[in-house]
Amino acid sequence: DVVMTQSPLSLPVTLGQPASISCRSSQSLVYSDGHTYLNWFQQRPGQSPRRLIYKVSNRDSGVPDRFSGSGSGTDFTLKISRVEAEDVGVYYCMQGTHWPPLTFGQGTRLEI
Amino acid sequence: EVQLLESGGGLVQPGGSLRLSCVASGLIFSNYDMTWVRQAPGKGLEWVSGISGSGGSTYYADSVKGRFTISRDNSRNTLYLQMNSLRADDTALYYCAKMGPLGLCGGDCYWGQGTLVTVSS
Repeated sequence: DVVMTQSPLSLPVTLGQPASISCRSSQSLVYSDGHTYLNWFQQRPGQSPRRLIYKVSNRDSGVPDRFSGSGSGTDFTLKISRVEAEDVGVYYCMQGTHWPPLTFGQGTRLEI
Repeated sequence: EVQLLESGGGLVQPGGSLRLSCVASGLIFSNYDMTWVRQAPGKGLEWVSGISGSGGSTYYADSVKGRFTISRDNSRNTLYLQMNSLRADDTALYYCAKMGPLGLCGGDCYWGQGTLVTVSS
């Protein structure tokens, strides 16, 4: 199975400042169709996960444009340009390329 | 508005069984692959099982293969997870999600609020 490794696991940030989370996969996530099936999820305290980004860099509907995804191959990044209070929670990367299974990173806890 | 509502969780002894249900509304249920994902207390997310829209294809994590069975009743807009031979490490909040192969959601992703399964004597 593909192992997803996130860093850091804990990310203290200041309101209004940028934040960045790294995700590395144990194998390339480029699928046979040329797409890369790497998603990012946000889980706010007490809530269900919500997808923010799909296929590396595509924002889901309703996701603020301060969130952006980038990367290729085995190295990916989620960036928040200016952290707001509502961004507190745990962020997970998830790969779908080498499915089954879908595999998640350990999660990164973002705290103010 | 799409809603996914899980039920069926509870306290069960090791070796016991439970059946989880997830009722979907606001979508043409049979059009979408579905998934169960679990989260142990204070831990991260773990994919458990997936099923195609028709129910003809099913997939399992190695940790549950042979013990859990995913199914669906498209006439009732309901997804199921039959869990047998439960172990303490199956204790988790179980989410159903509109998500399928490659982690695609066929549009927007939706998750339920989860149902808690506790395996303990």
